[in-house]
Amino acid sequence: DGGITQSPKYLFRKEGQNVTLSCEQNLNHDAMYWYRQDPGQGLRLIYYSQIVNDFQKGDIAEGYSVSREKKESFPLTVTSAQKNPTAFYLCASSSLRDSGELFFGEGSRLTVL
Amino acid sequence: DQQVKQNSPSLSVQEGRISILNCDYTNSMFDYFLWYKKYPAEGPTFLISISSIKDKNEDGRFTVFLNKSAKHLSLHIVPSQPGDSAVYFCAAIGRGSTLGRLYFGRGTQLTVWP
Repeated sequence: DGGITQSPKYLFRKEGQNVTLSCEQNLNHDAMYWYRQDPGQGLRLIYYSQIVNDFQKGDIAEGYSVSREKKESFPLTVTSAQKNPTAFYLCASSSLRDSGELFFGEGSRLTVL
Repeated sequence: DQQVKQNSPSLSVQEGRISILNCDYTNSMFDYFLWYKKYPAEGPTFLISISSIKDKNEDGRFTVFLNKSAKHLSLHIVPSQPGDSAVYFCAAIGRGSTLGRLYFGRGTQLTVWP
């Protein structure tokens, strides 16, 4: 089955620790994205990548880092510099040749204790 | 600076009636619009889209209307069903421009009651 896999689904972290969220897709999509969802805030773009070894900051990139070493993978690291990291994180991908429609993963819930 | 706005955070509709979700945008470079549906603790799923060359697109119970002069679009669900209860996100992209990403509204929570 083609799709996007995010892991872990739930993650707990102590303050001051970095944590990496995994995102893998087998849709052969060129572009991948990380969004954060908070109540009443909708979906806010953290980082996106349109090709391997290249990525751009979104609207709320501070305190986050990403890498795109392979087309299939786009991990997100939530660093200790992120002031309010507790949130629901969504990874998505799209084919740049199509309409721009995003396909989303199931999400990862990060809770900082 | 919200380029895509959903000004109603919630909407409550009785089963069988019409649900109308609204969305406004500010950037005239947007030429493609999408609606996503999201259940709690799940990723959003694509629902329906419309290109700026059209003013209406219909798919079963779902119809999206686009008014370019007003920079406004709406999603109509007829008839509404309890399973439609979810958060609906409006999104826009400028495919013919350098806007290589979707811009999302903040979402509208739709509740359909029996």
